[in-house]
Amino acid sequence: NAGVMQNPRHLVRRRGQEARLRCSPVKGHSHVYWYRQLPEEGLKFMVYLQKENIIDESGMPKERFSAEFPKEGPSILRIQQVVRGDSAAYFCASSPPRTGALGSPLHFGNGTRLTVT
Amino acid sequence: DAKTTQPPSMDCAEGRAANLPCNHSTISGNEYVYWYRQIHSQGPQYIIHGLKNNETNEMASLIITEDRKSSTLILPHATLRDTAVYYCIVPLIQGAQKLVFGQGTRLTINP
Repeated sequence: NAGVMQNPRHLVRRRGQEARLRCSPVKGHSHVYWYRQLPEEGLKFMVYLQKENIIDESGMPKERFSAEFPKEGPSILRIQQVVRGDSAAYFCASSPPRTGALGSPLHFGNGTRLTVT
Repeated sequence: DAKTTQPPSMDCAEGRAANLPCNHSTISGNEYVYWYRQIHSQGPQYIIHGLKNNETNEMASLIITEDRKSSTLILPHATLRDTAVYYCIVPLIQGAQKLVFGQGTRLTINP
């Protein structure tokens, strides 16, 4: 049973280019979350999606960043016109549909390390 | 999220029990305590969670005080592979899973 798969593992982009990060959740999981970890800092929530819906994007920068989780295929985090400050590790997590009051723990991938030169 | 406080770092000898404390004095009655860890260069890994009863699984035990204002994560026989940053998290809304990761405790297991 495969866990959360993220690709690419490492991504290098020049300033101004676009970065596309992919996340395939655990099979059967319909909730996806993206987190960002800047160098030497903790993880910060970015966005929470269900299939075809953005539920909470309160952690997303207002410009250049977008996320989607289509009906078919992986979730995509897209960063347009990257700048050096976007260099970070981007982690995706997934969880099954929640039932009752007990929330399900998140299953994290091993991240995509984006370097902007 | 209910604010949590953890020591920034701890050391433990290999083979001994590692006891990681966490204070969450503002926790409310229906909020769970979750523990995750992050080994260097990897994604966070779920360890355990609990509400008010002590919990145990194959990875660790979680002891929650009766007033629920603090908890302790116990790794019964620490190995070098347990060296990681350990995060104690109390999500604001049960089930929302919008986790707020603080600085955690950097646990170093020494041979």
